[in-house]
Amino acid sequence: DSGVTQTPKHLITATGQRVTLRCSPRSGDLSVYWYQQSLDQGLQFLIQYYNGEERAKGNILERFSAQQFPDLHSELNLSSLELGDSALYFCASSVTGGNSPLHFGNGTRLTVT
Amino acid sequence: GENVEQHPSTLSVQEGDSAVIKCTYSDSASNYFPWYKQELGKRPQLIIDIRSNVGEKKDQRIAVTLNKTAKHFSLHITETQPEDSAVYFCAASNGNAGNMLTFGGGTRLMVKP
Repeated sequence: DSGVTQTPKHLITATGQRVTLRCSPRSGDLSVYWYQQSLDQGLQFLIQYYNGEERAKGNILERFSAQQFPDLHSELNLSSLELGDSALYFCASSVTGGNSPLHFGNGTRLTVT
Repeated sequence: GENVEQHPSTLSVQEGDSAVIKCTYSDSASNYFPWYKQELGKRPQLIIDIRSNVGEKKDQRIAVTLNKTAKHFSLHITETQPEDSAVYFCAASNGNAGNMLTFGGGTRLMVKP
């Protein structure tokens, strides 16, 4: 168990809808990262937060947004969903914003029908 | 930004043989290089990492080497076992922008018994 909790585990929704994915980092970790992994694909970095502030942004679509709350949990909001958004979404956390190891959650599998 | 290329994309070895996976990176400022193992349907897990102040690191059957001049690093697995079968991802980070790890495309390793 990595200590990173992601909910829900599975999500099935229709095109055009909006969903929220939730992540609780490991105790003591200040940084939260979101990655998207499509079927048999690599890990695409979406966005990173450090202690409540956005620190880095990757190839995140404008339809997607995220935030980190004062208690350090994070939410990833996906709106106007398209079939191509179907993927495994991982949250990861690390102690600092520096070069410390990432610990991944078990992911949320999103299926858009 | 950083670009990490990983080769080969698939690798099949006989049990007991060695496996080598290679990665190159583009940003000379990168100084942290972790390797993650992802079993089917599971989260990526850190198996070993190396920082730019060392050239090699070992942990039992796993070793990583780093050549900063050539900007490449490699994962070596000796005496492979069927349970080593998984997708392996290399990554690089320069510590700026809050440890935004850039992942390689992954290598699917299959160890045949």
